[in-house]
Amino acid sequence: DTAVSQTPKYLVTQMGNDKSIKCEQNLGHDTMYWYKQDSKKFLKIMFSYNNKELIINETVPNRFSPKSPDKAHLNLHINSLELGDSAVYFCATHAGSPLHFGNGTRLTVT
Amino acid sequence: DAKTTQPPSMDCAEGRAANLPCNHSTISGNEYVYWYRQIHSQGPQYIIHGLKNNETNEMASLIITEDRKSSTLILPHATLRDTAVYYCIVRAPSQGGSEKLVFGKGTKLTVNP
Repeated sequence: DTAVSQTPKYLVTQMGNDKSIKCEQNLGHDTMYWYKQDSKKFLKIMFSYNNKELIINETVPNRFSPKSPDKAHLNLHINSLELGDSAVYFCATHAGSPLHFGNGTRLTVT
Repeated sequence: DAKTTQPPSMDCAEGRAANLPCNHSTISGNEYVYWYRQIHSQGPQYIIHGLKNNETNEMASLIITEDRKSSTLILPHATLRDTAVYYCIVRAPSQGGSEKLVFGKGTKLTVNP
């Protein structure tokens, strides 16, 4: 079983659309994250949730809204998509150390 | 978190040891050294971490200098599957239940047949 799974793996959409990326973990971890890896391959934290509460929000535009319906899920909804949102988005979890990452969702905005 | 400096790329022959250096001259006393790697099209994968002492696990060894200003990740017998970007990260123990790992550019290790 995949510990941290993301869907979809690939997402191609047009500017202005609204889309969601889903993340599910079966590790029983309390904390979940979204990271963004841009075209220059820099990996940056966007959000973290602990027990369904927002802990870290790294000055991400409010078009991005994470939602944690339960401890095993952290979804990322993006409104009014822009070209600059094209990137690979990684979900991660941890309880203590280290972080466990999913295999990413490649979002392409055209 | 303290900043780290790594060479942008390295090559290694298959079966030989790969030694990946990292400088972290501004590391604080309570900050750990972590190593992750990212194989193409996958998420980052934890390798090893340490505070002061050298560490070894099934994947690698971590050698930290006595002054803690630098470290070396050692893959004892590199295989083609070890080709990846290797990230060296320093961070203090998490507080409030959240980790804030700061990834740099890493070292692109290419293992050649």
